[in-house]
Amino acid sequence: DTEVTQTPKHLVMGMTNKKSLKCEQHMGHRAMYWYKQKAKKPPELMFVYSYEKLSINESVPSRFSPECPNSSLLNLHLHALQPEDSALYLCASSQQLANYGYTFGSGTRLTVV
Amino acid sequence: GENVEQHPSTLSVQEGDSAVIKCTYSDSASNYFPWYKQELGKGPQLIIDIRSNVGEKKDQRIAVTLNKTAKHFSLHITETQPEDSAVYFCAASMTAYGGSNYKLTFGKGTLLTVNP
Repeated sequence: DTEVTQTPKHLVMGMTNKKSLKCEQHMGHRAMYWYKQKAKKPPELMFVYSYEKLSINESVPSRFSPECPNSSLLNLHLHALQPEDSALYLCASSQQLANYGYTFGSGTRLTVV
Repeated sequence: GENVEQHPSTLSVQEGDSAVIKCTYSDSASNYFPWYKQELGKGPQLIIDIRSNVGEKKDQRIAVTLNKTAKHFSLHITETQPEDSAVYFCAASMTAYGGSNYKLTFGKGTLLTVNP
């Protein structure tokens, strides 16, 4: 299995809702990442996990809360989002932190209304 | 931190022609340079990468060249096909944890259109 699977593919949520994005990989990768991508822009790094521990938080607002329950799973919990948070949220993984060959998932298209 | 410039922002070619996308980077410590293809509604897909100890790498119709002295690298696609149409991102990183340069820094992307 050489894939990163993200669910759901699409999500519409109100500004008062709480929702979660899920990411799963079974490649034995020990580093996992969350990226945010706005239309016609490159991906922007949000969080990095290495061996299930948060290594990097790129000054992301607290309304985004990451969680890594085990080496295969990565969640992003969303609460009280703003319309400007609407974007494609991408999960990626690599064998180790700062290693070659990042694999990206297909993303969750999030719309905040 | 690292800065990656990518040109052109849009590129239109006829099927069968070659396409070249160029990137420059700022940090001489960067040693890994991947290229990603992103189709509409999908995540970026790694298509080829090069490490700083190699000057050129080829995979069928795709090749990447690296000039460490000038700090630039290029993607070459030969015999383009309509299915090559997508946004292409170059990136640079330092594959050793330390400071902020370990992470992938992306260029702004090139929208490639291959006309039948």
